[in-house]
Amino acid sequence: QLVLTQSPSASASLGASVKLTCTLSSGHSSYAIAWHQQQPEKGPRYLMKLNSDGSHSKGDGIPDRFSGSSSGAERYLTISSLQSEDEADYYCQTWGTGIRGVFGGGTKLTVL
Amino acid sequence: EVQLVESGGGLVQPGRSLRLSCAASGFTFDDYAMHWVRQAPGKGLEWVSGISWNSGSIGYADSVKGRFTISRDNAKNSLYLQMNSLRAEDTALYYCAKAHGSGYFDYWGQGTLVTVSS
Repeated sequence: QLVLTQSPSASASLGASVKLTCTLSSGHSSYAIAWHQQQPEKGPRYLMKLNSDGSHSKGDGIPDRFSGSSSGAERYLTISSLQSEDEADYYCQTWGTGIRGVFGGGTKLTVL
Repeated sequence: EVQLVESGGGLVQPGRSLRLSCAASGFTFDDYAMHWVRQAPGKGLEWVSGISWNSGSIGYADSVKGRFTISRDNAKNSLYLQMNSLRAEDTALYYCAKAHGSGYFDYWGQGTLVTVSS
């Protein structure tokens, strides 16, 4: 079964960097994912598509501070030079065969 | 500019029906699959249903299968979700999302709130 696992929470200081992790279930380590950001009281916003080889393509207007990388079944979102507006929930998403979507449980990022 | 605008949410009693709509603009609507995603209060995102560009492929989450029906009208650039036999656990903000060709969601609407309560 295709499942994405995320840590519920993370925190980092203003101006620092943070690396969020999304783990694909066994047998699905070759899958690409997408990262989405949801700021408080707002709808989700697409950040980037991240492939298994670490290559990624970002959405319109996404700053260079956001980057992605991969290792095995893990997919990472790194945010550098953290700003207050980066405090948000971050979701990873993938898709299987056919028409369906799968979301991770989300990581709540606190900027200290 | 891509815009997705949901409508049709509201307060409904358990067991009743509701139809959500999503008006799309800023892209060639009939080139892309579309999806509905929901978020219960204080919870994460849950995929609900998706439909291919020509309505030839459709998928549903197990939690809504047999109760919800997704459809689209490419002539009107619109996506729909017919929700029947609504339950309290269907209470959520419902988002419309555009799918990129390979399956990820690259644009989202702002959502419409559905509250199921007596």
